[in-house]
This record gives sequence, C-alpha cells and structure tokens, in this order.
Amino acid sequence: DTGVSQDPRHKITKRGQNVTFRCDPISEHNRLYWYRQTLGQGPEFLTYFQNEAQLEKSRLLSDRFSAERPKGSFSTLEIQRTEQGDSAMYLCASTATSGGLNEQFFGPGTRLTVL
Amino acid sequence: GQSLEQPSEVTAVEGAIVQINCTYQTSGFYGLSWYQQHDGGAPTFLSYNALDGLEETGRFSSFLSRSDSYGYLLLQELQMKDSASYFCAVRDMDSSYKLIFGSGTRLLVRP
Repeated sequence: DTGVSQDPRHKITKRGQNVTFRCDPISEHNRLYWYRQTLGQGPEFLTYFQNEAQLEKSRLLSDRFSAERPKGSFSTLEIQRTEQGDSAMYLCASTATSGGLNEQFFGPGTRLTVL
Repeated sequence: GQSLEQPSEVTAVEGAIVQINCTYQTSGFYGLSWYQQHDGGAPTFLSYNALDGLEETGRFSSFLSRSDSYGYLLLQELQMKDSASYFCAVRDMDSSYKLIFGSGTRLLVRP
C-alpha cells in the first residue's frame, strides 16, 4: 500500500500522560501536514513541514504539542500532559510540490481519547 | 481570516441529484476543493476549482463563482455508498498550501 499511514489508529490515555503519534506520508511527497478533527467539524490545520523543516504552526498548537520530521520522511506528533480537550482525531496529510499541490492525501487518522 | 459555510445535513433518495452549497469569506483565494469523508475514514479528494465554471468528474461535478464567493458540489445518480460527510475547503494564501475546511455537510442517501 503506497498511501499515507498513521500509527496507532486508536489511543486511550489518562489525563496528564504524554502520547506520540506517527505518520508515514507517500514516499515522494515532500509536504506533510497535521490536522485535528473533532466530531461534526472539518479538519483544522495544526502544522506543516516541507521536507524536514517545520515551516508553520497554528495558534491552536499549544506548547504542549511538538512535531518533528527528522529525515524528511515520517513525522511524529507528541502531546505532553494531555488534557480532555485534546480528545480528537489527528489526521496527517501529504502532497508533492511538483504537481498535484491542490490535492492532499490523508491518512486514516489516530483517534485520541483522553480520560 | 477565512470562513466557509455549508449546510450541516442533506437527505436525498437513491438515484436522485443533490447539490451541496458552500460560501466562503477569505482574505485571498486560490481555489475551492471538495473532500468526501465516510464515518471513521480519511478525507478523500473529490475536486478542485480555481476558475469559474463547472468541473465534471463522473457522477460528481463542482462549480465555482469567484465573484459570488460561492461554490457547490453536485452529486448525480446517488448511490447508498455516497452517504458521507462532504467538506469544502479553500487553500490558504501563504506558501504552505494548507487547507481551511468548512464544518461539513452530512449527506444521507435513503433507498
């Protein structure tokens, strides 16, 4: 399968714990995005990488959130000291600079539940 | 800022035609996209309009009027599998090409 993959698909954690999610984009895609989606809403942008550089972060992204893309391939999103308000679906998407910029390819998401 | 409005829910009968509208307010505009998302699934790209007019892809068509800040998605010959949420999205005006999504329209197709 050459699509975007995310791991884990589901995560249940207790408030105050740290969690880390992984995204593997389509291999030739140099642009990678993280979005957050809550029930009944559209995805909201969190952060964007071009290759290994994190070029933009949303104001939604508090200092408890950090993302990396160390080798310009897979990316991780870490949430420290989770809060119940962090419960959401975390989606990763990728696209290529050379053509097809108007279509983002989404992964299946990681559903986070904070108890 | 940017905001998009679309109806929260639409119901239609199998075989019928349904139109999902989207109005947007943006400080800059680079095009309107449509994504489909089944419950528990990933958003998948349907169409993109950068210029005014109608784009057709099989049973799905998308229309854009930039002067009216308005677009719609037209689904023809509805099938049960078309029951899903449909999101319009605009591309932000910076170089990130990030998407700003509407809150989605839930389409229920009845037999």
